[in-house]
Amino acid sequence: AQSVTQLDSQVPVFEEAPVELRCNYSSSVSVYLFWYVQYPNQGLQLLLKYLSGSTLVKGINGFEAEFNKSQTSFHLRKPSVHISDTAEYFCAVSEYQGGKLIFGQGTELSVKP
Amino acid sequence: DSGVTQTPKHLITATGQRVTLRCSPRSGDLSVYWYQQSLDQGLQFLIQYYNGEERAKGNILERFSAQQFPDLHSELNLSSLELGDSALYFCASSSSDTNTGELFFGEGSRLTVL
Repeated sequence: AQSVTQLDSQVPVFEEAPVELRCNYSSSVSVYLFWYVQYPNQGLQLLLKYLSGSTLVKGINGFEAEFNKSQTSFHLRKPSVHISDTAEYFCAVSEYQGGKLIFGQGTELSVKP
Repeated sequence: DSGVTQTPKHLITATGQRVTLRCSPRSGDLSVYWYQQSLDQGLQFLIQYYNGEERAKGNILERFSAQQFPDLHSELNLSSLELGDSALYFCASSSSDTNTGELFFGEGSRLTVL
């Protein structure tokens, strides 16, 4: 069975600073990888996904993530954050043809002015 | 707006009671997923239906059950409620039963058990 570990529960950062949210996964088979964002009082929405191909994936709102198979990681990065990026971010994994998405515990990103 | 509709948005009930949460997926989506979000457990996968059939099961308690109807809407039934069942319950939908794509989440149903 697969699992996801988000290494930081909270990440405070100043506006316009770069940020990295860390995610490691564990699985005995090949996986698809995702990052979702949850703004306050809302459901989750997809930021980006890795299915195959280039290991650097670009998503919405200037976010990108890099798949590293040898380190089983899928870290999320943004070179310059805005106040509006304050939200909870979830890393998720699904097995090929698995049909269910397993989420990490979430990382709360707090952007301060 | 994701196109996924969940009702009710908020629900307060007592221990031992039974509630039903409803989800209407995006138009054309055949798969429906249920997730439970709580502070201590995080976001837990409960169950998935595809075109009316159960496709995958996660950490769903025996007191909980779900179904997907011919019109593709889904209901999650929670019975013999306990304090620990208080959580945000999300429904999500996708167009296929293989998770290569995007799940579209509703805004959730917040259940409070007193």
